Amino acid sequence: EAGVAQSPRYKIIEKRQSVAFWCNPISGHATLYWYQQILGQGPKLLIQFQNNGVVDDSQLPKDRFSAERLKGVDSTLKIQPAKLEDSAVYLCASSSIAGGMTDTQYFGPGTRLTVL
Amino acid sequence: QQPVQSPQAVILREGEDAVINCSSSKALYSVHWYRQKHGEAPVFLMILLKGGEQKGHEKISASFNEKKQQSSLYLTASQLSYSGTYFCGTEKTGANNLFFGTGTRLTVIP
Repeated sequence: EAGVAQSPRYKIIEKRQSVAFWCNPISGHATLYWYQQILGQGPKLLIQFQNNGVVDDSQLPKDRFSAERLKGVDSTLKIQPAKLEDSAVYLCASSSIAGGMTDTQYFGPGTRLTVL
Repeated sequence: QQPVQSPQAVILREGEDAVINCSSSKALYSVHWYRQKHGEAPVFLMILLKGGEQKGHEKISASFNEKKQQSSLYLTASQLSYSGTYFCGTEKTGANNLFFGTGTRLTVIP
């Protein structure tokens, strides 16, 4: 079974520019998560989708971050405008069962963002 | 809401044992354990649900004491492949969010 795919793997931008990350979850997985992992820290949940809908986006900085999951499959996370503190690895994960955090989450390889 | 892990880092020789602890200030419904190698995605190890259960995965096992709001990961007879950063992720009772700890960096040397 193919794993979670993410692109690009690396991105370098200047502050105030915009950037977008793409995630393709494991086929059939209803739940998709975006995490931000700052160097030396654990992943921090930004947003959780169940099919097309948002389950939790309480930790998403909505003034600059946005995410969508059209058709309940692929997802895009956007940052506009980027700040220096957004430098991090952005991880996408998916799980098979709709709803509930007790399902196994499978992580993608992540996108390493550097904001200069 | 972020769980606290201890120790922050540990160095072992092959064959030695280690214990990694994860504690929360909130009532927990489940605890998830992941291992992340440098530059790679976190890899799932196991989930423990409330009820004080204990699970095993080869020579890696874990326990969950919901009353103490703590979980411990036990690595026995460590191998070089065990090196990495271990994260616990905790789910609060009645919530639908997973919070990860700051991680424990484990290094196994020959």
